Amino acid sequence: SQQGEEDPQALSIQEGENATMNCSYKTSINNLQWYRQNSGRGLVHLILIRSNEREKHSGRLRVTLDTSKKSSSLLITASRAADTASYFCATDASNSGYALNFGKGTSLLVTP
Amino acid sequence: DTAVSQTPKYLVTQMGNDKSIKCEQNLGHDTMYWYKQDSKKFLKIMFSYNNKELIINETVPNRFSPKSPDKAHLNLHINSLELGDSAVYFCASSQGYGGTEAFFGQGTRLTVV
Repeated sequence: SQQGEEDPQALSIQEGENATMNCSYKTSINNLQWYRQNSGRGLVHLILIRSNEREKHSGRLRVTLDTSKKSSSLLITASRAADTASYFCATDASNSGYALNFGKGTSLLVTP
Repeated sequence: DTAVSQTPKYLVTQMGNDKSIKCEQNLGHDTMYWYKQDSKKFLKIMFSYNNKELIINETVPNRFSPKSPDKAHLNLHINSLELGDSAVYFCASSQGYGGTEAFFGQGTRLTVV
């Protein structure tokens, strides 16, 4: 069953600007992950944040997690045209067996 | 070296046919998955499998069946293909159970005509 719900569905910004994407989920989680999907390609793991963490950084990426609100955000700073892709959050809710449940994704367009 | 590879990349076939998609991972992972991505990019888990257990999403029609000859391979067989089966199918793998990083293949775009 679908867990995450990203917001906005689509985002268009210019190079150099920051991009913020949000994810909400429904049930308790062990961790939350963010993935990127370039057009016509598979998903690539970006970052994982555990349920007992509130914030995590990786290069130009900053992820926050608020388990009380069941929400997470992904911030991409100083965006580049190469960041153009779809971004998905994924959770491993206990009812999913071994699998990740993905949200619907945010389509990010970064224009030069 | 491609970590998770699946073949073919594109598959066009007629309704009613039976087809297979192959997946191999060279990461030594013990868990593999099949996901279906529809035209709206929604990713839905179809199967999770490790060397001990197969977990099937109960919404997946029994025309779909995973076959794992060994730990590094998880193939997807589809019988009696229907128009609604058209989608992109992704194979993935991870070490251990959910909650670890998953590595995805490049996807197989299946078109049923």
